[in-house]
Amino acid sequence: EADIYQTPRYLVIGTGKKITLECSQTMGHDKMYWYQQDPGMELHLIHYSYGVNSTEKGDLSSESTVSRIRTEHFPLTLESARPSHTSQYLCASSERLYGYTFGSGTRLTVV
Amino acid sequence: AQKVTQAQTEISVVEKEDVTLDCVYETRDTTYYLFWYKQPPSGELVFLIRRNSFDEQNEISGRYSWNFQKSTSSFNFTITASQVVDSAVYFCALSEWTSGSRLTFGEGTQLTVNP
Repeated sequence: EADIYQTPRYLVIGTGKKITLECSQTMGHDKMYWYQQDPGMELHLIHYSYGVNSTEKGDLSSESTVSRIRTEHFPLTLESARPSHTSQYLCASSERLYGYTFGSGTRLTVV
Repeated sequence: AQKVTQAQTEISVVEKEDVTLDCVYETRDTTYYLFWYKQPPSGELVFLIRRNSFDEQNEISGRYSWNFQKSTSSFNFTITASQVVDSAVYFCALSEWTSGSRLTFGEGTQLTVNP
């Protein structure tokens, strides 16, 4: 049973649309992360949060934005999707240095 | 700053061969964790192992074994008697205290096991 949930699993959307990728965890973890991954490629951290009302940009610049209004919820939003945003987005949470849990990912295709 | 290097982009072996995936890391911290993840074509990340910087004991789990050597900053992963189901991308990763536990991944190694 997954403790971190990402929806949708797959999304195909047209250029210019606004989209929100959902990520929720039930473990009460303070730390949450978003990674972007092109197929078969390295995972890049694009956003992270250490708690409610705390968000930071990651190592890879991204046009997406995130919010953390509740501990369990860490959605990622693209205001205007473009084909260059086509990628897999993985959400994760952790409690300490070692306790990471990853969601199943959202595969986004922008046409 | 932390860094993880997986020099092998792709490895192809025949079933039942042993294969070692290399991982070299850089960190200035004395407290850190190392991880290996498996990513099958479905895309999810499957956790395989973690080691902390104070435990250099090698570990074996079935056909999998890991060799952690601080002297060479390496954390290599060996699959013994590989199987077709082992085909996947394997990622090594590092988290360190001064980076606030953010997980940094290596580039990944695509392992293909042929029948």
